[in-house]
Amino acid sequence: DGGITQSPKYLFRKEGQNVTLSCEQNLNHDAMYWYRQDPGQGLRLIYYSQIVNDFQKGDIAEGYSVSREKKESFPLTVTSAQKNPTAFYLCASSKSLWEDLNTEAFFGQGTRLTVV
Amino acid sequence: AQKVTQAQTEISVVEKEDVTLDCVYETRDTTYYLFWYKQPPSGELVFLIRRNSFDEQNEISGRYSWNFQKSTSSFNFTITASQVVDSAVYFCALSEAAGANSKLTFGKGITLSVRP
Repeated sequence: DGGITQSPKYLFRKEGQNVTLSCEQNLNHDAMYWYRQDPGQGLRLIYYSQIVNDFQKGDIAEGYSVSREKKESFPLTVTSAQKNPTAFYLCASSKSLWEDLNTEAFFGQGTRLTVV
Repeated sequence: AQKVTQAQTEISVVEKEDVTLDCVYETRDTTYYLFWYKQPPSGELVFLIRRNSFDEQNEISGRYSWNFQKSTSSFNFTITASQVVDSAVYFCALSEAAGANSKLTFGKGITLSVRP
């Protein structure tokens, strides 16, 4: 089945540790996104990538890093510099917005990160 | 800069009532797309509808209908004869500016509770 896979579903880390969240898609989509969801805050864009080896900062990129070495993969690293990392993280992909806005984003099931 | 406002945060209705979820957007572009997504308790966002800026026709899909009005920059979503399964968080989103900086921006979401 085609889709987006985020792993793991639940993740616990100690404060001060970096942690990497996985996002893989087999939809042959060019664009990929990472969003953070907090209660009452909606979805806030962390990073996005329109093409391999290129990515852009979103609205809340501080304390996060990404890479886009392969079309199907867009891992997100939550670094120790992120002051409030506990949240629900959603990855999404879409056909390239570079060429065509007429495309919806498909979402993974999310990773709930808890830092203790 | 693009912005999506969902002023309602929580709505509670009794089953079979009609309910309208409001969405107001801001954009400088003349070409853009608007979306509605549903997030059930499982966490994954489900795409509901896409509407481009040049098509102001209202759309109906079963119990769901959407009213797009450029004059008021609004894209409201109505559920007719609501059901308990409609309980979820609903997000409105906007994409604009095809190109390297194109991205999806979401509102803060509306939590809909439908009581039996």
